[in-house]
Amino acid sequence: EAGVAQSPRYKIIEKRQSVAFWCNPISGHATLYWYQQILGQGPKLLIQFQNNGVVDDSQLPKDRFSAERLKGVDSTLKIQPAKLEDSAVYLCASSSGLESPQYNEQFFGPGTRLTVL
Amino acid sequence: QKEVEQNSGPLSVPEGAIASLNCTYSDRGSQSFFWYRQYSGKSPELIMFIYSNGDKEDGRFTAQLNKASQYVSLLIRDSQPSDSATYLCAVSGGYNKLIFGAGTRLAVHP
Repeated sequence: EAGVAQSPRYKIIEKRQSVAFWCNPISGHATLYWYQQILGQGPKLLIQFQNNGVVDDSQLPKDRFSAERLKGVDSTLKIQPAKLEDSAVYLCASSSGLESPQYNEQFFGPGTRLTVL
Repeated sequence: QKEVEQNSGPLSVPEGAIASLNCTYSDRGSQSFFWYRQYSGKSPELIMFIYSNGDKEDGRFTAQLNKASQYVSLLIRDSQPSDSATYLCAVSGGYNKLIFGAGTRLAVHP
């Protein structure tokens, strides 16, 4: 079974530029997550999709960040314009999305390391 | 704001010893608790989950949960240098959402 795919793996941009990240979840997984992980911190959820609908985007800085999952499979996360504090690893994860009050394992992709200069 | 607290470490233990990692959480309604391991430069991977009070064992790993004290821990027996990593505690926040702590860095020295 192929894992979660992400690209690019690394990106260096200057502040005020725009950048986009791509994620392809595990086949059949209904739920897709984008996390931001700043060095020395745990992953922080930015947005959660269930199929192509947004479940939670309460921590997404909507003035500069946007995300979509148009066909309920692949997803893109965009930052425009980037700030220095956006330097982080952006992790995509997916889960089956089955109703489970107790357990729903999230599988993580390799992440995209963004450096904003 | 729901919070998950972990000691950042580093926690240094000798090879073969027991490593004890601790986590507290603020939301008393949390139902499920997860331990992820993250090697430097890699993405998190699930080690264990627990949702009932008490202990749950899986090989060298034991997760312990005390909902009354809002406390969850991970014990690693017979620690190996390959266990050196950051261990992330995560708590379910509803709708299959996870809230992560900052992680505890574990260093196992020969």
